[in-house]
Amino acid sequence: QVHLVESGGGVVQPGRSLRLSCAASGFTFSNYAIHWVRQAPGKGLEWVAVISFDGRNKYYADSVKGRFTISRDNSKNTLYLQMNSVRAEDTAVYYCARVLVVIAIRDAFDIWGQGTMVTVSS
Amino acid sequence: EIVMTQSPATLSVSPGERATLSCRASQSVSSNLAWYQQKPGQAPRLLIYGASTRATGIPARFSGSGSGTEFTLTISSLQSEDFAVYYCQQYDNWPLYTFGQGTKLEIK
Repeated sequence: QVHLVESGGGVVQPGRSLRLSCAASGFTFSNYAIHWVRQAPGKGLEWVAVISFDGRNKYYADSVKGRFTISRDNSKNTLYLQMNSVRAEDTAVYYCARVLVVIAIRDAFDIWGQGTMVTVSS
Repeated sequence: EIVMTQSPATLSVSPGERATLSCRASQSVSSNLAWYQQKPGQAPRLLIYGASTRATGIPARFSGSGSGTEFTLTISSLQSEDFAVYYCQQYDNWPLYTFGQGTKLEIK
């Protein structure tokens, strides 16, 4: 079974940091680009960041650029999102999602994790 | 940034009837368009990619059409499990992937 499982969410104060993880299983993790997508409570989906299969290419939404860092450890089949200088508007469920086609970075997202909730509040 | 606009915001349809959801892009995205279904408390699920290709395991009652700026998701005969929120997403203007605001499909 192909799975992505997020962890690391919780309550964090504004301006502080948090690191999310996404553990992959059931497929060759190192062959796929992976995205982070978030969803604020009661709102729609917002793309956050993507990392290429080999970790060499990373792209971010303007809303998180300079504050969030996406990375991966292919030896551990794990994706990360380092969230620094968090703001109230970062409050959301964070999903990791796999790209449909191996190696490609531009494609639909076929496998999603169950999400991890991040709440930014003092 | 490409803006994706879905209509209507809410669609009320009876079980067994056809539902037609629309998605418009602010500029051409070719056929680089996906549709997702999301139920409360769940992650989105990929339904359609490439504007018209059903993802693995998706029933044939789901179909997608369109290219360029105008796209449609059609559910031919609504089942109870189809009532959910549906999102379109463009992946043409990468890496600035953008989603529509969603259409809530509710039971009439």
